[in-house]
Amino acid sequence: DSGVTQTPKHLITATGQRVTLRCSPRSGDLSVYWYQQSLDQGLQFLIQYYNGEERAKGNILERFSAQQFPDLHSELNLSSLELGDSALYFCASSVGRQADQPQHFGDGTRLSIL
Amino acid sequence: GENVEQHPSTLSVQEGDSAVIKCTYSDSASNYFPWYKQELGKRPQLIIDIRSNVGEKKDQRIAVTLNKTAKHFSLHITETQPEDSAVYFCAASKEEYGNKLVFGAGTILRVKS
Repeated sequence: DSGVTQTPKHLITATGQRVTLRCSPRSGDLSVYWYQQSLDQGLQFLIQYYNGEERAKGNILERFSAQQFPDLHSELNLSSLELGDSALYFCASSVGRQADQPQHFGDGTRLSIL
Repeated sequence: GENVEQHPSTLSVQEGDSAVIKCTYSDSASNYFPWYKQELGKRPQLIIDIRSNVGEKKDQRIAVTLNKTAKHFSLHITETQPEDSAVYFCAASKEEYGNKLVFGAGTILRVKS
């Protein structure tokens, strides 16, 4: 158990819909990261938040957005879903904002678009 | 931006043998290099990491070496066991990118008993 909690574990929805994925970081961790894992793209960084503020952005689509709340949990919102958005979405957390701090991953949310 | 290449894509070894996975990175300013193990359907699990001010790090049967000049780092697993079978990912990060990890494509390791 990494201490990072993600809900839900599985999500099945249709094209055009909107979903929200939730992540609670490990106790004491201030940074939250979102990654997408698909068969053709591998593990791709989406976005990072540190203590409520966006710190780094990767190849995140405009249809996707995220935020980190005062209690440090984070939500990733995916809208106008397409078949290609089907993937595993992982959240990770680390203590601070430095690049050399270990990131611990949650169990992921498997998103299936029908 | 940073690019990480990982080789081989698949690796089969006999139980008890050693396994070596290699990664190269493009940005000489990268300063942190973790390795993750991912079993089927599960989360990536950090198994070892190395910072740019260190050349080698060991943890029981696992070791990582870093060559900053050549911009490559390697994972060494000795005395492999069937439970080492998984996908292994290398990654790199540096301050300029925030903390984002840039991952290699992964290596499927099969340990045959």
